[in-house]
Amino acid sequence: DAGITQSPRHKVTETGTPVTLRCHQTENHRYMYWYRQDPGHGLRLIHYSYGVKDTDKGEVSDGYSVSRSKTEDFLLTLESATSSQTSVYFCAIGRTLAGGPNEQFFGPGTRLTVL
Amino acid sequence: KQEVTQIPAALSVPEGENLVLNCSFTDSAIYNLQWFRQDPGKGLTSLLLIQSSQREQTSGRLNASLDKSSGRSTLYIAASQPGDSATYLCAVHTDKLIFGTGTRLQVFP
Repeated sequence: DAGITQSPRHKVTETGTPVTLRCHQTENHRYMYWYRQDPGHGLRLIHYSYGVKDTDKGEVSDGYSVSRSKTEDFLLTLESATSSQTSVYFCAIGRTLAGGPNEQFFGPGTRLTVL
Repeated sequence: KQEVTQIPAALSVPEGENLVLNCSFTDSAIYNLQWFRQDPGKGLTSLLLIQSSQREQTSGRLNASLDKSSGRSTLYIAASQPGDSATYLCAVHTDKLIFGTGTRLQVFP
């Protein structure tokens, strides 16, 4: 358990509404990630952060934005939700390894349904 | 483009069998490889991480090996139990973590 919580755990919303998902960590890790998981596509990286106010795009970033104003929180926002964004969203933290990229640990996920 | 493939996609075995799950990747330039377990409706649990300089890692009944030159990793599960039933994912770390689509394992009593 890497001390990662996600909220909400489930959400149903309507097309066109804004949605914000929150990821919270308790271990002060520098790297945080947002993924989505869909049948047939596996897990795909949306955005990631390498420090407070430092973020970058992943593989499927269109329609999503992120913010990180403090180390422990990483927010994912869907500005105007679409049905194609119905998915399970996972947050992860990266535990730094000596000499290379980090080992990632995942939160419990948020199931989002856009009607 | 790095691609990660897991074979088989699904596996059903009786309790007590020793299992091998396979993971292959197309580009050997990886930093590390991570194996995860995912239970239905749950998040991913990290099982083992093998750094590129290592050949294998062990944790309890699990043993993972890595052959970078051939682009392969195997996860060996000894004496399988019904509680091992889950989907197993491998992921290779290049500039980002790239996942395979998983092997769904069912161990029946």
